[in-house]
Amino acid sequence: KQEVTQIPAALSVPEGENLVLNCSFTDSAIYNLQWFRQDPGKGLTSLLLIQSSQREQTSGRLNASLDKSSGRSTLYIAASQPGDSATYLCAAITGGGNKLTFGTGTQLKVEL
Amino acid sequence: GAVVSQHPSWVICKSGTSVKIECRSLDFQATTMFWYRQFPKQSLMLMATSNEGSKATYEQGVEKDKFLINHASLTLSTLTVTSAHPEDSSFYICSAVNPRGMGYGYTFGSGTRLTVV
Repeated sequence: KQEVTQIPAALSVPEGENLVLNCSFTDSAIYNLQWFRQDPGKGLTSLLLIQSSQREQTSGRLNASLDKSSGRSTLYIAASQPGDSATYLCAAITGGGNKLTFGTGTQLKVEL
Repeated sequence: GAVVSQHPSWVICKSGTSVKIECRSLDFQATTMFWYRQFPKQSLMLMATSNEGSKATYEQGVEKDKFLINHASLTLSTLTVTSAHPEDSSFYICSAVNPRGMGYGYTFGSGTRLTVV
């Protein structure tokens, strides 16, 4: 059974700081790994998706890496802004792409 | 593209009544949709997989008679919480596979906050 863990559970940083969010999964036979953002009381917004054959993906100030052999993915946020404050969730996609297992989430607060 | 719309965004109902939540794919057809439940400060837990034209597949521990899923068309799946009780209060979110294919991940609705009083 796939288990996904995220650390830290919560993070508070000053504006402008670069930060790294960690995601680890127990079953390395993943199809894809997807990072999401969730604002309070809202649905999920997809940030980045890394296919199993890829090592990283970039979108603006976000960079996500994937190391299947070690069961890890990281989300790097450059020059953080207050608008980045949200909960970040990673999801390991298995079962031929048909099953998502979510991590426990990292609650990020970027302060002025 | 690949927008999933969920309605209502919030609902309050009395204990014992039933509530229907709709999930629509706005600009694509979705033969499969997924329903998740999220408790406060917890992650999403898959409840069931909704298949167009056939019965839903429920995860272990999810009562199929309690959470009725209907996927009657390629753009609409509904979740009905029957005889709701306060412990059913939660955040429910639906999702669909990106129409470009599973290699492009999943897109999610905006969620429905259900409060049973």
